[in-house]
This record gives sequence, structure tokens and C-alpha cells, in this order.
Amino acid sequence: EVQLVESGGGLVQPGRSMKLSCAASGFTFSNYGMAWVRQAPTKGLEWVATISYDGSSTYYRDSVKGRFTISRDNAKSTLYLQMNSLRSEDTATYYCTRGDQFAYWGQGTLVTVSS
Amino acid sequence: DIQMTQSPSVLSASVGDRVTLNCKASQNINKYLNWYQQKLGEAPKLLIYNTNNLQTGIPSRFSGSGSGTDYTLTISSLQPEDVATYFCFQHNSWPLTFGSGTKLEIK
Repeated sequence: EVQLVESGGGLVQPGRSMKLSCAASGFTFSNYGMAWVRQAPTKGLEWVATISYDGSSTYYRDSVKGRFTISRDNAKSTLYLQMNSLRSEDTATYYCTRGDQFAYWGQGTLVTVSS
Repeated sequence: DIQMTQSPSVLSASVGDRVTLNCKASQNINKYLNWYQQKLGEAPKLLIYNTNNLQTGIPSRFSGSGSGTDYTLTISSLQPEDVATYFCFQHNSWPLTFGSGTKLEIK
């Protein structure tokens, strides 16, 4: 069974950093691109970043480019999102999802950026 | 960026009704269009990928169609468990973009 479990969310002050993790199981992690999608409270879905199966290619939405870094450790079957210079508008539930059609999603981790 | 416009934003229908949800892209997305269902408090679930391919385990009452800029999700016979928000999503070009959603309610 495919499982994606996010962790690392919480309350953080504006301008600070936070690193999210997504532990994958039930499939060969190194065969798939992965992505982060976020959802602000009571809002819609917003794609954040994608990484290729081997980490050689990454893609970001403009609003996070230069602040967020998506990475992966295939040996640990884990996806990461390093978020720097956080802003109030980054407040959202962050989901990790498998890159093939975004067919599998984690339960999400809530990031609240507030002083 | 490709803008995805969903209509209506809210749809109220009766159990057993045939329901149609619409999604319009601001440019041709070459059928790289997925549909997701999100129930309250849950993660999104993939229903349809690449316009008309039913994801494994999804009931056959869900179907998708479209081409170019206009796409449709159809529920042939609405069930109470279909109450949710439905999002369309284009993966034709970066940045990937979602529609703002259609909230489906039961009358």
C-alpha cells in the first residue's frame, strides 16, 4: 500500500525557516518524481514544487522560487521541502504527492506563519 | 501561467441526478487535465487523469471528457457520498495549476 507521511509543520515566525519531510513507503521511491502542493485555510490547491525521480530536475512556482528548496533522499525514501524567509501567505497545509498524475497524497502538515 | 476556471463554483443537485462540472483553461492544455475530489478534512483524491482515464478504484459513474481548452467531469448518478469539492488540474506546462474548485452539495 502506498503511504506518504508528512511531518515538520507547526507555528513559525515570519522570516524564519522550516523544513518539511515526507516519508514514502509501499512503492519504489526512486522511480517516481515527487511534488509538494499546499492549501491555505479554506482555499484551493496550489502546486508548490516538483522534483524528478533522481533529483536532477526541480521546478517551482514563482512565489517560492529562491526561498524554498525541494530535495529528496532516495536511500531513505524521503522527500523534503526547505522553506526559508517564510511569509504569512505561506500559511497552508502542505501535502506531498507522487508525481505520476498526483495519484497518491499524504495527509498533510499544517504550517502557520505568524508572529 | 495557464489559468484554470471552474464553473459553477457551487452546484446543488439531487441524489440520482446527472451532474456536469466544467473547467476551462486559458490556453490549449493538450488533454493534460486531471480531476480531484476533496472531502472535508481529507487530502485530495485523483478521480480522472489525462481528461478521460478513470483512476483505479473510482466508481464508473465518474467520467471525463474534453479537449483543447474545455473539459468536463460528469457524475452519471449523484450519490450522497459524492458531496465534496472538485478541482481540475493542468499538467501540460509549468507552473502546474489548479482550478479554484466546484463545491458539490446535495439538495
